[in-house]
Amino acid sequence: IAGITQAPTSQILAAGRRMTLRCTQDMRHNAMYWYRQDLGLGLRLIHYSNTAGTTGKGEVPDGYSVSRANTDDFPLTLASAVPSQTSVYFCASSLLAGGTYNEQFFGPGTRLTVL
Amino acid sequence: GQNIDQPTEMTATEGAIVQINCTYQTSGFNGLFWYQQHAGEAPTFLSYNVLDGLEEKGRFSSFLSRSKGYSYLLLKELQMKDSASYLCASLDSNYQLIWGAGTKLIIKP
Repeated sequence: IAGITQAPTSQILAAGRRMTLRCTQDMRHNAMYWYRQDLGLGLRLIHYSNTAGTTGKGEVPDGYSVSRANTDDFPLTLASAVPSQTSVYFCASSLLAGGTYNEQFFGPGTRLTVL
Repeated sequence: GQNIDQPTEMTATEGAIVQINCTYQTSGFNGLFWYQQHAGEAPTFLSYNVLDGLEEKGRFSSFLSRSKGYSYLLLKELQMKDSASYLCASLDSNYQLIWGAGTKLIIKP
């Protein structure tokens, strides 16, 4: 693995189903983030983790949960998907959560459609 | 509230210079980032400013005025591959990035 990867690349999901988006980085970055990107809107932070074992809520956390059991992995779970969660989801990581070390590296994204 | 404003779309000619402006209003300020995002791809880092002034990096330069809550990205010698969206983001007091909606830059031959 080089950098940050996400899976799946795209997914069509029925409303009410549970879904986990996977994110893995091999840069030994401490901080990781989940964003959603919708047309006409900026990237919006869903959840973040400043270090393994800790997580925090971002701007739009409702309907999503995360865990950070180790440094490399940061999965995002939709417990019961709704159509408004149709979006492109980006995972990102940074060396630290602060200042110039906050330069974030992004995964390729997951395009999720909830019907 | 927190707000980042940048133009929705700009058009420029290959070989020319373009300036993309960004104004920000965030709770606290720990720096201003610019990212480039090609259609269908992930954002990639371009620049970071935390002090006032101009930072030059090849064909791209970024300027910051903290007192005015203002930044711009200057792209010189435009190439067709520069057609992309340019995202402005402010790092707030909680070290979270607040993102603008992005400026779509269209380069014409």
